[in-house]
Amino acid sequence: DGGITQSPKYLFRKEGQNVTLSCEQNLNHDAMYWYRQDPGQGLRLIYYSQIVNDFQKGDIAEGYSVSREKKESFPLTVTSAQKNPTAFYLCASSLITGIYNQPQHFGDGTRLSIL
Amino acid sequence: AQSVTQLDSQVPVFEEAPVELRCNYSSSVSVYLFWYVQYPNQGLQLLLKYLSGSTLVKGINGFEAEFNKSQTSFHLRKPSVHISDTAEYFCAVSEVADYKLSFGAGTTVTVRA
Repeated sequence: DGGITQSPKYLFRKEGQNVTLSCEQNLNHDAMYWYRQDPGQGLRLIYYSQIVNDFQKGDIAEGYSVSREKKESFPLTVTSAQKNPTAFYLCASSLITGIYNQPQHFGDGTRLSIL
Repeated sequence: AQSVTQLDSQVPVFEEAPVELRCNYSSSVSVYLFWYVQYPNQGLQLLLKYLSGSTLVKGINGFEAEFNKSQTSFHLRKPSVHISDTAEYFCAVSEVADYKLSFGAGTTVTVRA
């Protein structure tokens, strides 16, 4: 079945450490997105990418970095510059058809906590 | 830029009763509208979408929503809820030709027997 796989499901970060969250999709979608979810705040966009080797900052990009070397993969690195990284991170993808904005499909998330 | 307001943060409801979740948006251009559901520790699942055409949109699991352009609203309804509808529901909007979504803060629905 096609879908989005996020790993790991749970991740712990030590002070001063960078950690990378994996996101892989086999839906042949063009665009991929990273969101951060905090209780009572909905989802906030961190980064998004519409094509390989290109990505744009979202609303809360500070302290995060991404790469898009392959269409299927969009890893997110939470750097030590992100002072409050504890959150639920969701990856999503969508087709770009040029007619309508196609719905985004979501992975099951990675919960990041600080040790 | 667009924004979304979900007017209720928590909605308790009895099983087999109707439920309405309210969503208002603001945008200076035409928009597409979406409702997603999230079960605990899972990602979001699309319930329904409004892209164009009929303002009454039917989705999965018996949900429907009505787009009201004059009131800039997209309220979600279900005539009879089940225990399994207990979840968090998110309204989202994207402007035409902009692939980014803006989400509301979410509404937690708790269905009681």
